[in-house]
Amino acid sequence: GAGVSQSPSNKVTEKGKDVELRCDPISGHTALYWYRQSLGQGLEFLIYFQGNSAPDKSGLPSDRFSAERTGGSVSTLTIQRTQQEDSAVYLCASSPQREGNEQFFGPGTRLTVL
Amino acid sequence: GIQVEQSPPDLILQEGANSTLRCNFSDSVNNLQWFHQNPWGQLINLFYIPSGTKQNGRLSATTVATERYSLLYISSSQTTDSGVYFCAVGRGSEKLVFGKGTKLTVNP
Repeated sequence: GAGVSQSPSNKVTEKGKDVELRCDPISGHTALYWYRQSLGQGLEFLIYFQGNSAPDKSGLPSDRFSAERTGGSVSTLTIQRTQQEDSAVYLCASSPQREGNEQFFGPGTRLTVL
Repeated sequence: GIQVEQSPPDLILQEGANSTLRCNFSDSVNNLQWFHQNPWGQLINLFYIPSGTKQNGRLSATTVATERYSLLYISSSQTTDSGVYFCAVGRGSEKLVFGKGTKLTVNP
């Protein structure tokens, strides 16, 4: 079956611009997570959606970052007024939330802020 | 928060050798996963193993939850095993906390 998909695979933007990153989770998975991987910080959690519950935003690094999940499926991560330190690979994961909580990751979006 | 330590940070092997990677964590968890990150950056699920022992081909893993560690065994290593291996832990449906990884290089 299809895995988690993300788009775009690569994004180059100029400092100060806004960007939107998209995640399509595995069909039927109720939980969706965003992480980012950067050279200095390793893999770090950003935000978590579970069904209709309020999202856990505790990992978002600043108020320039926001995310939404429409219809319990697709999610968009938005970064406003991008900064060079936002350059990283943004990874999305989903989990079926039954029979355990195994998370499955997409291929990521590599964001470069010039 | 939970701390995750992986060792060794780097490992260089000759093809055919066996290896053991370790993951220590600082608090009780009920989710533990091992991943292999390939050269293209994709995180490949190896094991979901909050406790017990599992085997998949040349790879096996053991988690001793009461002692807060997990081990990943790679036998008869191949060059395609090269990459970074991550351990990640969590509680319930919460976020995963990742270790810094073990970079494995298998030489022909």
